[in-house]
Amino acid sequence: QIQLVQSGPELKKPGESVKISCKASGYTFTDYAMHWVKQAPGKGLKWMGWINTYTGKPTYADDFKGRFVFSLEASASTANLQISNLKNEDTATYFCARSPGYNSDYWGQGVMVTVSS
Amino acid sequence: DIQMTQSPASLSASLEEIVTITCQASQDIGNWLAWYQQKPGKSPQLLIHSATSLADGIPSRFSGSRSGTQYSLKISRLQVEDTGIYYCLQRYSNPWTFGGGTKLELK
Repeated sequence: QIQLVQSGPELKKPGESVKISCKASGYTFTDYAMHWVKQAPGKGLKWMGWINTYTGKPTYADDFKGRFVFSLEASASTANLQISNLKNEDTATYFCARSPGYNSDYWGQGVMVTVSS
Repeated sequence: DIQMTQSPASLSASLEEIVTITCQASQDIGNWLAWYQQKPGKSPQLLIHSATSLADGIPSRFSGSRSGTQYSLKISRLQVEDTGIYYCLQRYSNPWTFGGGTKLELK
């Protein structure tokens, strides 16, 4: 069956970096785009952007340009999100999602990233 | 950016009641709209795609409709398991945008 399994929770200090992963299984990884969505504690969903899993080209929403990097390990069917120079406001759950909004969308379980000194 | 104005922000309804949630798009997005339900601590679950199409495995009491740039999600007979937060999502143009969410509780 199709699954997106994300890495575990992270506790980081301001200024540090974090890399979270999203491992896909049950389908051909390069056939579907991978999107990233942020949800701050008690808040709504915010689309961060997506990565073309065939070409590796990322597209970022304006609020996520600069410190955020989407990348792939296509041979491992894995998409990664790296956040550098972490700030308190980066504290959130980050979801990966395969082609959200389409009938065949799938989401990871989410990764909680906590930034605290 | 396309703004999705979702209403109401919260809603309390009784079992078997009809519930309607709406999203108003700031510009034409065609049928590029989806509805999600999110339970606490869980990932969002797709309910409706392409504005009016029921996602696989979703009960038929959920339905979506469109009137111009206003989109609606209707739950025809509210059940206990329908509590949660509902979001609309437009994927017509970048950046994709979610509505602010509607928290649905049982009265």
